[in-house]
Amino acid sequence: GDSVTQMEGPVTLSEEAFLTINCTYTATGYPSLFWYVQYPGEGLQLLLKATKADDKGSNKGFEATYRKETTSFHLEKGSVQVSDSAVYFCALKTGANNLFFGTGTRLTVIP
Amino acid sequence: DGGITQSPKYLFRKEGQNVTLSCEQNLNHDAMYWYRQDPGQGLRLIYYSQIVNDFQKGDIAEGYSVSREKKESFPLTVTSAQKNPTAFYLCASTPTGGARTEAFFGQGTRLTVV
Repeated sequence: GDSVTQMEGPVTLSEEAFLTINCTYTATGYPSLFWYVQYPGEGLQLLLKATKADDKGSNKGFEATYRKETTSFHLEKGSVQVSDSAVYFCALKTGANNLFFGTGTRLTVIP
Repeated sequence: DGGITQSPKYLFRKEGQNVTLSCEQNLNHDAMYWYRQDPGQGLRLIYYSQIVNDFQKGDIAEGYSVSREKKESFPLTVTSAQKNPTAFYLCASTPTGGARTEAFFGQGTRLTVV
């Protein structure tokens, strides 16, 4: 069945370090891929998305490229800030209501 | 502003009580969802509804019930049959548009059994 496998955390980085959070997926058909971010005590917010192979989603310095050949959608940011500390979820959607989430990766950025 | 409103933000339940969590959206979305999140874990689907007066069980529906009498409202009842209800509950909605449309989330309700 459809699923998302996400890099387990927690991840702790110093400010201005490079971030990569790995995400791979299994899906039939042609899924769309998403990264969501959750700040403490809040709901999830869409960070970026890509709807077809080779698309690059980007927002707030974060990027992820939809790689069909490796079934991956890794999240990257060149220079993290303390304010990026949150939990990040990779997700895929294969139809109108088939939405699958990874287990989340907690990122802590220290000054 | 359009969005999803969950209430209350914090809820306390006594043993054996039923409680209802509210979820209202003014985004005119057809589909609505309820997820449960436990500490350090991902999201697990409880129920979802694609259209008014219709809903489907998700992966962990036991001990929960829902209704969808209006397009904008999808309340979740946590019944006394749910033995471990302490968790963070998230409501979401999506527009029509198949796989390309993202989900929008409320701010969540934290339920604690006392």
